[in-house]
Amino acid sequence: GAVVSQHPSWVICKSGTSVKIECRSLDFQATTMFWYRQFPKQSLMLMATSNEGSKATYEQGVEKDKFLINHASLTLSTLTVTSAHPEDSSFYICSARDTGTGVDEQFFGPGTRLTVL
Amino acid sequence: DAKTTQPPSMDCAEGRAANLPCNHSTISGNEYVYWYRQIHSQGPQYIIHGLKNNETNEMASLIITEDRKSSTLILPHATLRDTAVYYCIVRYLTGGFKTIFGAGTRLFVKA
Repeated sequence: GAVVSQHPSWVICKSGTSVKIECRSLDFQATTMFWYRQFPKQSLMLMATSNEGSKATYEQGVEKDKFLINHASLTLSTLTVTSAHPEDSSFYICSARDTGTGVDEQFFGPGTRLTVL
Repeated sequence: DAKTTQPPSMDCAEGRAANLPCNHSTISGNEYVYWYRQIHSQGPQYIIHGLKNNETNEMASLIITEDRKSSTLILPHATLRDTAVYYCIVRYLTGGFKTIFGAGTRLFVKA
């Protein structure tokens, strides 16, 4: 299947700083990417859907000014956690939708573990 | 909200078949049944999907009941590496394409 990468795989930051997480589709173009958050022993929660060249659509309860999403190219979406606080510590997972010829599937990245001190 | 119901956990002996049930009684005619799994601290991995016919691939088999209100994922010969959380999801193939995860089933494969 197609490959989605995330960078960094883990990050530790101080409270009040901003952190950027990158999500890349390595061998396909993704007009749509998704960002999820997962707390320990819980399921994945969809945060937002990003479409290349347009504003992201956020799920109810997700602060768009705190979780900035940019999908500037067909292979890259970024999630910036602004003014991070300890409660933002979580596992962030992105996925990309591959709509290539004969395919319409969603592939997931390996995740980024964010720890805010 | 997720449209599926799964048992929270299951055990399976190594080498035996693991049968993971899923209830999706409100599935609509155009929604597919997808299965993913998540091994600890990794991103979800696609396993299989189907609409109404049974499906099989190199990883698993998917059995969907005739009324499509439930399905079973079958791992024919479970190994220790199959220990993971398995998610059953219903989703449109196109259009309203959004994957919402429920709680999933935590499968423990024991030696």
